Amino acid sequence: EIVLTQSPGTLSLSPGERATLSCRASQSVSSSYLAWYQHKPGQAPRLLISGASSRATGIPDRFSGSGSGTDFTLTISRLEPEDFAVYYCQQYGNSPFTFGPGTKVDIK
Amino acid sequence: EVQLVESGGGLVKPGGSLRLSCAASGFTFNIYSMNWVRQVPGKGLEWVSSISSSSSYIFYADSVKGRFAISRDNAKNSLYLQMNSLRAEDTAVYYCARDLHNYDSSGYYYWGQGTLVTVSS
Repeated sequence: EIVLTQSPGTLSLSPGERATLSCRASQSVSSSYLAWYQHKPGQAPRLLISGASSRATGIPDRFSGSGSGTDFTLTISRLEPEDFAVYYCQQYGNSPFTFGPGTKVDIK
Repeated sequence: EVQLVESGGGLVKPGGSLRLSCAASGFTFNIYSMNWVRQVPGKGLEWVSSISSSSSYIFYADSVKGRFAISRDNAKNSLYLQMNSLRAEDTAVYYCARDLHNYDSSGYYYWGQGTLVTVSS
């Protein structure tokens, strides 16, 4: 099983600041089959990035993904008020298709 | 418009069974892999199970293997999760989700609103 570790656990930032979230895998993720999701309370998760770096339809370009192998990064270039949420990475290359524990981005 | 609507959640006693359904509309259901993901209240997301478009490939999380069974009825545009031998730790909101692409493994772009399963005596 591929274990995903996300850091930091919580990121306290102000609107307009840059957020850098890390996702590290215990073994290489096949074909960069790595996704990032945003999740807010009471809502369904929202796919931001698939294939490690491809923005999903309708996702603002302030969200970007990078990385390969075992190290991946989600960057939010300038935080908007609606971006404060929990962010999860998921690998879908090898079953079980595990999620990371999440990074909470909250308002400083 | 793509819609995924889960149903079948509720309160069940430990050791009991429940069958979740997910009604899909707004897309060609029989060409997409489908998935179940859950979230224990206050905790993170946990992938539960996935099924390929023709049911040829089925995968389960270790935590549910042997107790849960995923299936689909392409004629009815429906996805199911049969949950047996339920435990307190299965208490969660269960989401059905559709793959982004039909031609390759991908993240989950469309999600239902979730259905709450509570396992308690």
